[in-house]
Amino acid sequence: AQSVTQLGSHVSVSEGALVLLRCNYSSSVPPYLFWYVQYPNQGLQLLLKYTTGATLVKGINGFEAEFKKSETSFHLTKPSAHMSDAAEYFCAVRYTGGFKTIFGAGTRLFVKA
Amino acid sequence: EPEVTQTPSHQVTQMGQEVILRCVPISNHLYFYWYRQILGQKVEFLVSFYNNEISEKSEIFDDQFSVERPDGSNFTLKIRSTKLEDSAMYFCASSPTSGGADEQFFGPGTRLTVL
Repeated sequence: AQSVTQLGSHVSVSEGALVLLRCNYSSSVPPYLFWYVQYPNQGLQLLLKYTTGATLVKGINGFEAEFKKSETSFHLTKPSAHMSDAAEYFCAVRYTGGFKTIFGAGTRLFVKA
Repeated sequence: EPEVTQTPSHQVTQMGQEVILRCVPISNHLYFYWYRQILGQKVEFLVSFYNNEISEKSEIFDDQFSVERPDGSNFTLKIRSTKLEDSAMYFCASSPTSGGADEQFFGPGTRLTVL
């Protein structure tokens, strides 16, 4: 079955430190890959997506992610965390011919001053 | 920038009551979706809707649930007889196509509390 695994339900970093949120998918067919962010009491906002082409994709707010087919991974990074980055982050996949988006369990990012 | 809107933001109901959650998708989008997120759990797909028909539904979407596009702008999710376990955040989403490369645009959600 197709699934998305996010390693670490909670990640805590200091302000200015590197942010690394991990995501792996399980399927033999590479999916389309997405990262969404959810701020408290708000909906899901797209950070970035990978469809085809360059495997390193840049998104909003300084985030980027790299698709590694051999590792079935799509980890999200940001070189320097800001307090405003504190939120829940969801990795998600979609497949050609399917209607649904399949979400990971989410990783809550805490940023310490 | 166009966005998906949902009303109400919070709905409290008694077990066994019917609820209707409302969504206004982005105006030129053709595909509509409902997802739910039980507190502390992952976002789960419920149903997708296109051309006035359900195109895909999950095992969660049983006979207690129905969707409708009653006019040219609204998209609704009805739960006929709510259960305690229906308490969740419900997200509506829309997309211009069904293509997997297209993102789905999500609304802010309706928090449903069943007492």
